[in-house]
Amino acid sequence: KQEVTQIPAALSVPEGENLVLNCSFTDSAIYNLQWFRQDPGKGLTSLLLIQSSQREQTSGRLNASLDKSSGRSTLYIAASQPGDSATYLCAVGADSNYQLIWGAGTKLIIKP
Amino acid sequence: DGGITQSPKYLFRKEGQNVTLSCEQNLNHDAMYWYRQDPGQGLRLIYYSQIVNDFQKGDIAEGYSVSREKKESFPLTVTSAQKNPTAFYLCASAQGYEQYFGPGTRLTVT
Repeated sequence: KQEVTQIPAALSVPEGENLVLNCSFTDSAIYNLQWFRQDPGKGLTSLLLIQSSQREQTSGRLNASLDKSSGRSTLYIAASQPGDSATYLCAVGADSNYQLIWGAGTKLIIKP
Repeated sequence: DGGITQSPKYLFRKEGQNVTLSCEQNLNHDAMYWYRQDPGQGLRLIYYSQIVNDFQKGDIAEGYSVSREKKESFPLTVTSAQKNPTAFYLCASAQGYEQYFGPGTRLTVT
């Protein structure tokens, strides 16, 4: 059974730093992997989707990588800002029914 | 203005009462999902529907019910049989694997 893990559960860094969030999954047979952002008490916003045939995707200051063989994905945030403070969740598309398997998220705090 | 809406934002109920959470989308998506989110946990799938008049149980369907009479609407009923209903409920619609989320409903049952 596919399991998705995000470590650490929480991370606090000073403004301006580059940082990496981690996501690992147990079964490399995936269709894709997505990163989402969730602000407190709000819904989720999709940030990046990486297809299984891709190695990375970029959007502005965000770069997500995918290494299926090692069961890992990273979300790189460059030049972090207080507005980046949120919970970041990763989700794996693991079957043909379009179901997503979710990690528990990493709560990120950027200190001004 | 395309999107997905959930109402109400906050909902309070007494134990033993059924309650229905609304979810509407105007994105013309065939698929819709209901998730439950508890603190420190990932999203858990309650029910999903890939087409009108059809839906399937997710991982934690016990104590919940849904209907899908219209493409735009996918209401969730939390019944009195749900043992621990207090949680944050998220609805999503989807095109393939890309899911679009509503703002959520926080349900508190006392």
